[in-house]
Amino acid sequence: DQQVKQNSPSLSVQEGRISILNCDYTNSMFDYFLWYKKYPAEGPTFLISISSIKDKNEDGRFTVFLNKSAKHLSLHIVPSQPGDSAVYFCAASRVNTGNQFYFGTGTSLTVIP
Amino acid sequence: GAVVSQHPSWVICKSGTSVKIECRSLDFQATTMFWYRQFPKQSLMLMATSNEGSKATYEQGVEKDKFLINHASLTLSTLTVTSAHPEDSSFYICSATVAGGPNAVDTQYFGPGTRLTVL
Repeated sequence: DQQVKQNSPSLSVQEGRISILNCDYTNSMFDYFLWYKKYPAEGPTFLISISSIKDKNEDGRFTVFLNKSAKHLSLHIVPSQPGDSAVYFCAASRVNTGNQFYFGTGTSLTVIP
Repeated sequence: GAVVSQHPSWVICKSGTSVKIECRSLDFQATTMFWYRQFPKQSLMLMATSNEGSKATYEQGVEKDKFLINHASLTLSTLTVTSAHPEDSSFYICSATVAGGPNAVDTQYFGPGTRLTVL
């Protein structure tokens, strides 16, 4: 049962434009969400996170938005750069429950120069 | 900081043999390490949670006698795939955690992964 879903397997964006990656979850008990970036043949690297007590968290060009009522989060990258081309995974977890992460299937972002 | 290494990065073995994969936290002590498995175009699936000095906790459906995990120190965890078969071919990734705050989960730092191919 896939509790975290990324329905868009791929996304192409022109350099300088905004990239929006979406993620949906089904378990209302999740209260912490993370985005990871992964290059081929490498492990995921942590990008940004958000707690359920917030609806927005920003770090440089990366902003994560959380809509708890819709069980939806999104990652905005602006402006997009060619080096952002990678697979992006969202993950959900519950604080103080052993740190088990539930990952989505990933969205492959291609930023076109 | 927070670098996690895995060795080997790829391995090819014959069916029936055992393969050991090492996961090391290079510049920090990890209280917990996790082992994941990723099939092509699928998400990372948690296999087991490993704490130093204690038995690993396996996720439902993961055979603990087949995937042996040893967490010998705060910087080293090993995964041994015993009597490997072609269906065990996959990308295995470990992560090590650094304690987060009271209102956060521990950040997981991932290793680069190990590609296992069983012939």
